[in-house]
Amino acid sequence: KQEVTQIPAALSVPEGENLVLNCSFTDSAIYNLQWFRQDPGKGLTSLLLIQSSQREQTSGRLNASLDKSSGRSTLYIAASQPGDSATYLCAVPETGANSKLTFGKGITLSVRP
Amino acid sequence: DTEVTQTPKHLVMGMTNKKSLKCEQHMGHRAMYWYKQKAKKPPELMFVYSYEKLSINESVPSRFSPECPNSSLLNLHLHALQPEDSALYLCASSRLGGVSSYEQYFGPGTRLTVT
Repeated sequence: KQEVTQIPAALSVPEGENLVLNCSFTDSAIYNLQWFRQDPGKGLTSLLLIQSSQREQTSGRLNASLDKSSGRSTLYIAASQPGDSATYLCAVPETGANSKLTFGKGITLSVRP
Repeated sequence: DTEVTQTPKHLVMGMTNKKSLKCEQHMGHRAMYWYKQKAKKPPELMFVYSYEKLSINESVPSRFSPECPNSSLLNLHLHALQPEDSALYLCASSRLGGVSSYEQYFGPGTRLTVT
């Protein structure tokens, strides 16, 4: 059974800092990995989806990397801003066509002005 | 347009009430999902519809009844709920095809409180 881990559970950084959020998974046979952002009481916003054949995916100040062999993904946020404060979740689909996602518990990020 | 809409945004209901949650997408996605999320926890899958047919039921109690009347709409009918069912209910959609897995797009959720 796939398990997804995100450590630490919470992170506080000063504005302007570059930071890395980690995600690890136990079964390397994944189709892709998706990073989401969730603001308190809101839905999930898809940030990046990185396919199993890709090593990196970029969108603006965000860069996601994937290393299937080691079961790890990182989300790099450049020049963090207070508006980046949110919970960041990673998720991988089960193998097969049902697309059931297994989520990590998320990392709650606070960017201090 | 990558938007999934959900109504209502908030719902308060008693344990004897019957209510429904609604989800809509116009991205041509043929997979639609219901998730339940409790505070400070990740979303938990409840149901998956593929091509308007129920393909996954994660052993959800029968007081939750999903319905997919067409490829753009997904409903969740609620009856005789318990206070512990209070949560954020999220709808999502994605493409379908072969054995690949595609990006899921989530709606803003319905905050449900059962009194």
